Amino acid sequence: SQKIEQNSEALNIQEGKTATLTCNYTNYSPAYLQWYRQDPGRGPVFLLLIRENEKEKRKERLKVTFDTTLKQSLFHITASQPADSATYLCALDGSGGYQKVTFGIGTKLQVIP
Amino acid sequence: NAGVTQTPKFQVLKTGQSMTLQCAQDMNHEYMSWYRQDPGMGLRLIHYSVGAGITDQGEVPNGYNVSRSTTEDFPLRLLSAAPSQTSVYFCASNSGTGSNGYTFGSGTRLTVV
Repeated sequence: SQKIEQNSEALNIQEGKTATLTCNYTNYSPAYLQWYRQDPGRGPVFLLLIRENEKEKRKERLKVTFDTTLKQSLFHITASQPADSATYLCALDGSGGYQKVTFGIGTKLQVIP
Repeated sequence: NAGVTQTPKFQVLKTGQSMTLQCAQDMNHEYMSWYRQDPGMGLRLIHYSVGAGITDQGEVPNGYNVSRSTTEDFPLRLLSAAPSQTSVYFCASNSGTGSNGYTFGSGTRLTVV
């Protein structure tokens, strides 16, 4: 069955460092991979989308890589700030197409001042 | 531009009661979805729609009904509430072009007693 794995343990990082979050998947051949941010009590907020034929995408301090051979995406936040503390969700479209997006459980990031 | 609007924000139901969670979007998005989010389970797709008049089941559809009579509205109906339906419900929409991620509402926190 299709499975998305994100490290469910919290990631603690010092302010100013680069945070790297991992999303692994099995039994998927996604056309798109997405990353979202979720703050407590709020809905997820879309950050970045990367297509299967793209290796890397950047947006300000954010960088996403997509390795379809390893079936893995890495999400980087450079020069991390306490305001970056949140849960980050990885999402894939599965065999059902882009309308059926499946989410990982998320990784909680804590940036320590 | 309101985005995705969900009502109510909070609701307490007794077992066996029925209710409708409302979702409206003003972005003329074709795709709309309902997710539930439970601790340790992540977001799970309940039902989705790719346009007015078209709906389909997601991962956990049992106990829920949807309809899509207009592009803007996508209500979720709980037929006979059960304690297992205690959760946070999110509605999301997307243009369907594959260029952006989903826009989420702020959620409805439902408790079934």
